[in-house]
Amino acid sequence: DADVTQTPRNRITKTGKRIMLECSQTKGHDRMYWYRQDPGLGLRLIYYSFDVKDINKGEISDGYSVSRQAQAKFSLSLESAIPNQTALYFCATSDLKDDEQFFGPGTRLTVL
Amino acid sequence: AQKITQTQPGMFVQEKEAVTLDCTYDTSDQSYGLFWYKQPSSGEMIFLIYQGSYDEQNATEGRYSLNFQKARKSANLVISASQLGDSAMYFCAMREGLYTGNQFYFGTGTSLTVIP
Repeated sequence: DADVTQTPRNRITKTGKRIMLECSQTKGHDRMYWYRQDPGLGLRLIYYSFDVKDINKGEISDGYSVSRQAQAKFSLSLESAIPNQTALYFCATSDLKDDEQFFGPGTRLTVL
Repeated sequence: AQKITQTQPGMFVQEKEAVTLDCTYDTSDQSYGLFWYKQPSSGEMIFLIYQGSYDEQNATEGRYSLNFQKARKSANLVISASQLGDSAMYFCAMREGLYTGNQFYFGTGTSLTVIP
């Protein structure tokens, strides 16, 4: 089984809809991250969390919110989706000792 | 200013040859980490190699090595003996703040194509 899972893997929605992307991990890591990837722009950090009580805004947090329900779960919400939020979204985890980030498989979101 | 700059949108290399992918970074922190990730067409992000700012020797992982030039703020990835399976997007990334888990910054990527 994958260490970092994301649901759904693909989603098509309409402008104005509320969308939640979920991330779960079995690695036991405290730190979790949400990124979006756009062609030609690489990955940009949306939010990150060092533990259940710690949430931080990343480079592009406007229009997004997150919830860290447990150490293993970190959800990203788009309260009112807009077309320029169409992108590939990645969740990642890391450990304090091990600097490497482990990525989920990604969620492809299309907002019409 | 961009935190991570990758100036090569696309690169081609002959199979079995070596290739260097460029990466420069911008930070005023003394403690930081540099990473390279590979993203094949299937979309997953695969960690390749890591270099800490205090590491005196260049990092190596199999056919991957990181040419770390601290004064120039560059962290180029060298892939030796290229294989067809190396064709992918490659991203350079930086984490500022050792042990503080500060934000990660990614470059825009380099698309590598290995030619048979």
